[in-house]
Order: sequence, then structure tokens, then C-alpha cells
Amino acid sequence: GENVEQHPSTLSVQEGDSAVIKCTYSDSASNYFPWYKQELGKRPQLIIDIRSNVGEKKDQRIAVTLNKTAKHFSLHITETQPEDSAVYFCAASMETDSWGKFQFGAGTQVVVTP
Amino acid sequence: DSGVTQTPKHLITATGQRVTLRCSPRSGDLSVYWYQQSLDQGLQFLIQYYNGEERAKGNILERFSAQQFPDLHSELNLSSLELGDSALYFCASSVGQGKGEQYFGPGTRLTVT
Repeated sequence: GENVEQHPSTLSVQEGDSAVIKCTYSDSASNYFPWYKQELGKRPQLIIDIRSNVGEKKDQRIAVTLNKTAKHFSLHITETQPEDSAVYFCAASMETDSWGKFQFGAGTQVVVTP
Repeated sequence: DSGVTQTPKHLITATGQRVTLRCSPRSGDLSVYWYQQSLDQGLQFLIQYYNGEERAKGNILERFSAQQFPDLHSELNLSSLELGDSALYFCASSVGQGKGEQYFGPGTRLTVT
């Protein structure tokens, strides 16, 4: 089955700096890669996703890149703000017409210090 | 608010007992997923249902079972509880059979003493 590794497990950045989180996956059939943000005591929420037919996607200060050959994808947060402090989870999924199963990474605790 | 509801919010029970966690998906969503999140752990996928049928299974223990009812709500049954089953259990829903965004409920905090 799919195995997703996520690094680093913790990341401390100064406000205004960039943060990068990297994930690798094992199943070359995976074709959907979402990123979820989980604030303390709250539910995970989707912040950005990418499918295997594109290499990069941006949404304001957040971007995700995908390298299918190397089987890794990354989350980039620019101009970090204190409200970016949270746990971020990557996931890999093989979407089909009949089923889809998510494999999440272990999470990255991001701390943005003012 | 994601539109996904879970009850109860908190549950405290003893080892060996059985509990049932309930989830109601967003209106219109046919897929329901269950996840376990232990302290300082990631999200472990347990099981997925689509329109009443089991579609995918993750690392779900034999002591755990789930079902999705005709009104699309789902229940996760945990039996012969052990201390290690203490965790936050999330339900999520999506429109399709596994495509696209999953909307997470607020979770049920299970404590086994």
C-alpha cells in the first residue's frame, strides 16, 4: 500500500520568512495530493491540493509543487504570519471512479514566532 | 463549521467496554471516512463508506467495525477497548467516492481508563 513520509516533524520560522514542508510517497499510482492544516484543538481543513497532471499550484501565500518522477511533493508558505502556526498534514491518494483512500503523512508542527 | 457533525464530543469509558461513535456527513455527501488521531500522532485512515457500502479499508483493528446507514449517517463501533485506543476519532465526508476535498467533523475524544 501507499506510504507517505513527511519532513520535518517540527519547523520554527520567524514571521515573514518562508516555510517548506516535504513529503514523499511510495505508490506511483497516487494521483491526488492534498495538504491539510490543523490548528490546535480543531479539525483538519484543506488548504491546497494538486493532482498529478500539474507540477505546481499557487494560492496567495501558499504553493505546492509535485515531482512525479521523484515521487515527492512540497508545501511552500511565503511571508509567514503567526496565524500560520499549526500542524500541517500532507496526503497521497489514488482517486478512481469507485474508491479513494488517503494516506496521511505524520504531520509537521509549524511555529511562527513574531 | 464544515457541516459534518459528530457525537458525542467526549467519551470516557473503561477497558473492555464497547462504544459507538456517530457521524452525520454534509448534506449531499455520499462518502464517509473514519480516522484515528492519537496524541502527537498523525491521521490514521480506518475505513471509508460510499452510499452504504464499504469502499476502502485502512489499518482498522478487528475489534473495530463501522457501517453507513440509508440516511448516510455512519457509526464506528469500538469493542474490547484498550488503553491504547484512547484517541481523537474524526469522521470526514466528501461528495464522491474518494475524490476531492474531505470535510472533517469536530471529532470525538475517547478516553479509555
